[in-house]
Amino acid sequence: AQSVAQPEDQVKVAEGNPLTVKCTYSVSGNPYLFWYVQYPNRGLQFLLKYITGDNLVKGSYGFEAEFNKSQTSFHLKKPSALVSDSALYFCAVRDPGFQKLVFGTGTRLLVSP
Amino acid sequence: EAQVTQNPRYLITVTGKKLTVTCSQNMNHEYMSWYRQDPGLGLRQIYYSMNVEVTDKGDVPEGYKVSRKEKRNFPLILESPSPNQTSLYFCASSYDREKTQYFGPGTRLLVL
Repeated sequence: AQSVAQPEDQVKVAEGNPLTVKCTYSVSGNPYLFWYVQYPNRGLQFLLKYITGDNLVKGSYGFEAEFNKSQTSFHLKKPSALVSDSALYFCAVRDPGFQKLVFGTGTRLLVSP
Repeated sequence: EAQVTQNPRYLITVTGKKLTVTCSQNMNHEYMSWYRQDPGLGLRQIYYSMNVEVTDKGDVPEGYKVSRKEKRNFPLILESPSPNQTSLYFCASSYDREKTQYFGPGTRLLVL
């Protein structure tokens, strides 16, 4: 069965510092991996995805994520955090053999001025 | 503008009173899905649809119904709502081959 783990409920960083939001996954085949962001009172917005190819994926708003097959991880990163990055971040995985997208429980990112 | 719309955005109702939350997309997407979001549980899939007249259960289908009579619409029906269905609901759609799902703005439901 597919599963996703986001081990941190909350991540705090200061503005200008690099940030990492962690995600590990479990699927039976080659995974499709996604990051979504949710701002207060808004729906989920797509940030980036990994389907195949280069392990470093670049997405919206300066975010990137690195696919690591041996560690089954897909951590979200940004070199320099902004206060406006404060939001709830969800990692999701899809097994290509299934039509279901499985989400992690979310990580709240707080960026202080 | 390409988008997924949901109505209503907010709804307060009472136990047992049937309700429908509508979802519509203008991107000609084949795949549509409903999720509920609860604190500490992330998003859980309720039902999904691969195309018109093709629907299937997700992880938490109990107490919900869906239909897909047209490609653009995928309503979520609660025949007899209960307080444990108080949640934030999201509709999503995608081209199957792209895999990226696009989400609606959400519907916050309170069942008293």
